Amino acid sequence: KAGVTQTPRYLIKTRGQQVTLSCSPISGHRSVSWYQQTPGQGLQFLFEYFSETQRNKGNFPGRFSGRQFSNSRSEMNVSTLELGDSALYLCASSPTGTLNTEAFFGQGTRLTVV
Amino acid sequence: GIQVEQSPPDLILQEGANSTLRCNFSDSVNNLQWFHQNPWGQLINLFYIPSGTKQNGRLSATTVATERYSLLYISSSQTTDSGVYFCAVEPMGSNYQLIWGAGTKLIIKP
Repeated sequence: KAGVTQTPRYLIKTRGQQVTLSCSPISGHRSVSWYQQTPGQGLQFLFEYFSETQRNKGNFPGRFSGRQFSNSRSEMNVSTLELGDSALYLCASSPTGTLNTEAFFGQGTRLTVV
Repeated sequence: GIQVEQSPPDLILQEGANSTLRCNFSDSVNNLQWFHQNPWGQLINLFYIPSGTKQNGRLSATTVATERYSLLYISSSQTTDSGVYFCAVEPMGSNYQLIWGAGTKLIIKP
């Protein structure tokens, strides 16, 4: 069974640009969550999607957005990039969400904003 | 909101030693997981353990939900055990998000 796949693995962008990251969950999993990891703030929740609906959103500015497609694949978008957006972005997959079930993570996308 | 504290923050051991990592949380939880983050950043699942005890080879974990803590035991450490270990919880009443501890950085010296 394939694991969680995130693409691309690495990205370098310039301030002011926008970026789209992709996550394909484990087959049969319908929940996808996104997390940002930085040395200063640790791991922080961005948002969670289930059956194409956003069920929860973390405390991030509106520049951070996401969506989920009917095949459960998810994308997150960051517009007007800032230097502080440089981070490892991790996607988690679970059957129905982290409520009482285990989440599995992809390898992450490392974003560098210059 | 819930607080998740991991201790110790750093741990340096010789190969073959045993270690205990602790995770304290300040409120009731639905979900508790332990992860090992490898040098490339991927989070490797170790245990899903909202309560009780589990073992997997040299690793075992215990969560005492009523006392709001979890312990991860690593026996006969190997250099490949090096990395950062995270505890993540989902608070009761929360909506599908994991709250993370700051991690324990483990270095195993040969």
